[in-house]
Amino acid sequence: NAGVTQTPKFRVLKTGQSMTLLCAQDMNHEYMYWYRQDPGMGLRLIHYSVGEGTTAKGEVPDGYNVSRLKKQNFLLGLESAAPSQTSVYFCASSYPGPSYEQYFGPGTRLTVT
Amino acid sequence: GENVEQHPSTLSVQEGDSAVIKCTYSDSASNYFPWYKQELGKGPQLIIDIRSNVGEKKDQRIAVTLNKTAKHFSLHITETQPEDSAVYFCAASNDKVIFGPGTSLSVIP
Repeated sequence: NAGVTQTPKFRVLKTGQSMTLLCAQDMNHEYMYWYRQDPGMGLRLIHYSVGEGTTAKGEVPDGYNVSRLKKQNFLLGLESAAPSQTSVYFCASSYPGPSYEQYFGPGTRLTVT
Repeated sequence: GENVEQHPSTLSVQEGDSAVIKCTYSDSASNYFPWYKQELGKGPQLIIDIRSNVGEKKDQRIAVTLNKTAKHFSLHITETQPEDSAVYFCAASNDKVIFGPGTSLSVIP
């Protein structure tokens, strides 16, 4: 049981480049989340999904898109990366909803130059 | 929307002493209050949580108290050990979980 995994672990992008972060969970959880973590600001919710085929905006959705084509996967896309998107990105999942334990992945450290 | 404040931002204690971290929230509809511990280079991990119908919960050296009237809740760690050194996040949830900014706890041997 791997829990929540994230790919890649590290990435450096130039401004304007695009990339996709992949999150996978093997716990059959309905809810999945993408957060960004910046110093002194805790974890801020970017987008989330309440089930396969659904997505919704969180606190800081601008500049990001997501897709949940399969229940076990949640993809976060950056279409045109900006230096302000330099951060550590965490994926999480929970069952049966947000007011229950969230299981986090190990994070992806993204630097945009 | 919901706002969660957390204090202090950094905390140093001697091994064996107690540590207390306090949080306040703004949305009176919040009904779930988890605490997460994040070790260096890892994702956060739940250590204890409390729901709005309970005032206090304890798990070995860790306890959480909730005052719904005042909209604040606290984490208490007793008999601290070096392995308790980490960043701790409180959170409040109604339909979404909102995290506090975190407290970096250092336990000095």
